[in-house]
Amino acid sequence: LAKTTQPISMDSYEGQEVNITCSHNNIATNDYITWYQQFPSQGPRFIIQGYKTKVTNEVASLFIPADRKSSTLSLPRVSLSDTAVYYCLVVTTSGTYKYIFGTGTRLKVLA
Amino acid sequence: EAQVTQNPRYLITVTGKKLTVTCSQNMNHEYMSWYRQDPGLGLRQIYYSMNVEVTDKGDVPEGYKVSRKEKRNFPLILESPSPNQTSLYFCASSSQGDWTGELFFGEGSRLTVL
Repeated sequence: LAKTTQPISMDSYEGQEVNITCSHNNIATNDYITWYQQFPSQGPRFIIQGYKTKVTNEVASLFIPADRKSSTLSLPRVSLSDTAVYYCLVVTTSGTYKYIFGTGTRLKVLA
Repeated sequence: EAQVTQNPRYLITVTGKKLTVTCSQNMNHEYMSWYRQDPGLGLRQIYYSMNVEVTDKGDVPEGYKVSRKEKRNFPLILESPSPNQTSLYFCASSSQGDWTGELFFGEGSRLTVL
């Protein structure tokens, strides 16, 4: 399973776009990149998943370059309620479903 | 409502007193898993189960047991709890047939071992 590396923490101001980058150098052909959001004392919640190029949903966008060794979660116009920990995971779709969470990126949105 | 339910949500116990944290999901998911979360360490997988009667160790299985006798239930058993098992525990499930592999988490169980 590919291990992921992401910044420990980030600060931003309300209304700004936030980009969180994740490194996954050992990603395999069958692996997908997934991001989760966790608020204090709650379980993580699925945000977005992608394989390559760009994926967008109502919450975020996910950018994945051609070599797939990194990915960037983009949160448009963040608000105070986006303050949370964001986890990047590489999930394999062949065989094991072992989901490995790293330490995540703690995003703090300031007023 | 689709959900993963854990019980108890909060528990204070003493060293060596066996306890079980229950986990139940109503989404007919094949995959279930347990995680513990400690400050600065993120979420670490304890055990997972791909289906009924199929379980496997995660990254930190020592001191824990699990069973999967029914599809919907995946209890976490601490035979002889120790203070280093004081943590926030999460149960999660997903459908193997869903290409996203989206994990659905319970609300967590905060365990304190004295």
